[in-house]
Amino acid sequence: SQQGEEDPQALSIQEGENATMNCSYKTSINNLQWYRQNSGRGLVHLILIRSNEREKHSGRLRVTLDTSKKSSSLLITASRAADTASYFCAPSGGGTSYGKLTFGQGTILTVHP
Amino acid sequence: DGGITQSPKYLFRKEGQNVTLSCEQNLNHDAMYWYRQDPGQGLRLIYYSQIVNDFQKGDIAEGYSVSREKKESFPLTVTSAQKNPTAFYLCATLGRTGNTEAFFGQGTRLTVV
Repeated sequence: SQQGEEDPQALSIQEGENATMNCSYKTSINNLQWYRQNSGRGLVHLILIRSNEREKHSGRLRVTLDTSKKSSSLLITASRAADTASYFCAPSGGGTSYGKLTFGQGTILTVHP
Repeated sequence: DGGITQSPKYLFRKEGQNVTLSCEQNLNHDAMYWYRQDPGQGLRLIYYSQIVNDFQKGDIAEGYSVSREKKESFPLTVTSAQKNPTAFYLCATLGRTGNTEAFFGQGTRLTVV
C-alpha cells in the first residue's frame, strides 16, 4: 500500500495565520490526494496533485509535491475557525487496479478565533 | 455524503453479539472500502472490494467479515471475535483507477455496552 505519514500530528494557530502540513511517503506514486475530516464525520476530498505536477492551487489551499523527496505539503492561507479539522494525505500508485486505499494518522489542525 | 449512505449512525452492541453495518452507494462505483477509526487516530483499513463477489482483507480484518453480492452494497459484520469493537466505522467508494477521488459516508459509531 502507499500509506502517507502526516506531520505534525497536531497544529494550533490563530485565525488569519497560515497552516502548513506535510506528508511523506515511501514508494513511487501516480498522484497524491489531501482530505479533510471534521469531527465525527466522513472524509472530504480537498485536492489531487499528479506526479508530474509540482504545485496546485484551489482557493486558499496550495499543495506542493516533490517526488524526489517523496513528500508533499498542504498550505492553508488566512485560516479560519471553520478550517479546524483533521487533514489526511493519500498517495496513490494509480495503475489498472484499485488496490488498497490507505491513510496515515493525520494532522489535527485547531484554528483559534 | 456524495451518494453513500451508512446506517445506522449510532449502534450499540452487547458483548458477544454480531452486528452488521450497512453501506449503500448509488454512484455506480466499483471499489468499496471499510475503515475503522479510534479516537484521535487515523483510518485503518478493514476490508475492501474491487468488484462484485470479490473482496480482500485490509490491515485489521480479524474479527470482521464482509460480502459484496451487489455493486451498490458492501455490508460489514462485526463479529463476537472482535474483542474491542467500539470505534467509528467509515465506508468509502472509488469510481475508477487512476487519478480519481474517494467518496466517504458519514460513518457509524459503534459502542459495546
